[in-house]
Amino acid sequence: EVQLMESGGGLVRPGGSLRLSCAASGFSFSSYDMNWVRQAPGKGLEWVSLISSSSDYIYYGDSVKGRFTISRDNAKNSLFLQMNSLRAEDTAIYYCARDLGKHYAMDVWGQGTTVTVSS
Amino acid sequence: QSVLTQPPSASGTPGQRVSISCSGSSSNIGDNYVYWYQQLPGTAPKLLIYKNNQRPSGVPDRLSGSKSGTSASLAISGLRSEDEADYYCAAWDDSLGGHVFGGGTKVTVL
Repeated sequence: EVQLMESGGGLVRPGGSLRLSCAASGFSFSSYDMNWVRQAPGKGLEWVSLISSSSDYIYYGDSVKGRFTISRDNAKNSLFLQMNSLRAEDTAIYYCARDLGKHYAMDVWGQGTTVTVSS
Repeated sequence: QSVLTQPPSASGTPGQRVSISCSGSSSNIGDNYVYWYQQLPGTAPKLLIYKNNQRPSGVPDRLSGSKSGTSASLAISGLRSEDEADYYCAAWDDSLGGHVFGGGTKVTVL
C-alpha cells in the first residue's frame, strides 16, 4: 500500500525551529518529486515547497522562502522540512504529498502533522 | 487571498448536479493542468481529478472535470450525502514557480 506518514510536529515558540519528517512506503520514493503543503486552522490549502526526485531542483512558496529548507534521503525513503524563524502564521497542519510529475497533480497525501507556533 | 478563485459555497439536493468553478490566469490554469481535491472534515485531501479531466482509480464517474482557457470546473452529478465536503482546485503556476490552490468550496447536501 502506498503510504506517507509525517512526524515531528509540536508546539514551538516564535522564532524557534522545528524539523518535520515524512516516511514513504509502498512505492519507489526515489522516482518521485515530493511536496509539503500546509493548512492553517479553518483555512484552505497552501503549497509550501517541492523537491525533485534527485534533489536537483527545489521550489518554495513566497511565505516560507529563506526560512524553510526542504530535503530528502532517498536511501531512507524520507522527506524533510527544516523550519526556522517560525512565526504564529506558520501554525498549521503540514502534509507531505507525492507529485505525479509534469505538473499533473499531487496524488498521495499523508495524514499530516500539526505545528503550533505560540508563546 | 488565493491565486485561484472558487465560490465559497455550493449546495444541492440529493440526486442533483452541482458545479464548482475555478478561475485563474494564463500563468496557471491557462498553461497548465488543473487538479481537484475533496477534503472531508479532519482528513487529508483526496485527489479527485488530475490532468484537467482524468479520474484516479476508485473515483466514481459521476465526478467530472473540465477546463476552458483560464477557467475550470468540477461537476458532481447524482449528488449524495457523502459528497458533503470541501473541494479545492489547484494548478502549477509558471510565474510563481509552485502549485497554487483555490480558496475552497464547501458543498452542502440539503
